[in-house]
Amino acid sequence: AQSVAQPEDQVNVAEGNPLTVKCTYSVSGNPYLFWYVQYPNRGLQFLLKYITGDNLVKGSYGFEAEFNKSQTSFHLKKPSALVSDSALYFCAVREGTNAGKSTFGDGTTLTVKP
Amino acid sequence: KAGVTQTPRYLIKTRGQQVTLSCSPISGHRSVSWYQQTPGQGLQFLFEYFSETQRNKGNFPGRFSGRQFSNSRSEMNVSTLELGDSALYLCASSLRATSGKNEQFFGPGTRLTVL
Repeated sequence: AQSVAQPEDQVNVAEGNPLTVKCTYSVSGNPYLFWYVQYPNRGLQFLLKYITGDNLVKGSYGFEAEFNKSQTSFHLKKPSALVSDSALYFCAVREGTNAGKSTFGDGTTLTVKP
Repeated sequence: KAGVTQTPRYLIKTRGQQVTLSCSPISGHRSVSWYQQTPGQGLQFLFEYFSETQRNKGNFPGRFSGRQFSNSRSEMNVSTLELGDSALYLCASSLRATSGKNEQFFGPGTRLTVL
């Protein structure tokens, strides 16, 4: 079984400061890891993914994520937050054999204050 | 390329009724998955279709069903609606279902309210 945990319901940062949104996962095989963002009344938008290779993955809108196999984590980061980054962020995991089924974390609400 | 479209965007039904939601994937995408999003349960996987076949199913009662057509468009049906079925229903498409490497592209969702 695959599972994802996002330990923080809410993250607050000041504009211009770095941000981190945490995610840990559990799978029995090799993980495929994803970050999505959801704005109010909208569907989810893909930000980035880790499949294999470099542990640091770069994605859309200046976001990046670091895959850490020993800690089973995939934290989302951005060096300098913008007010427009305020949204709901979801981490998701899939096992290679479970292609169509993504398991999502509960989501973290990011608020960036001016 | 047009994105994933879902119709209708909003629905209000009463308990006991049934409802059908529709999803058109991105052109060329053959995998369609459905998710239920609620404040209490978060995002939960309903089912996934590829080439008109259900390939994965989540832990939902048999009142929830779906199908996929030859043009990859998908519908999901909920019969005998309950108050707890009120949710945002999201459809997602991806290029292939045989690999978990492909990200999913989500539609805007259908907001179902059961009174």
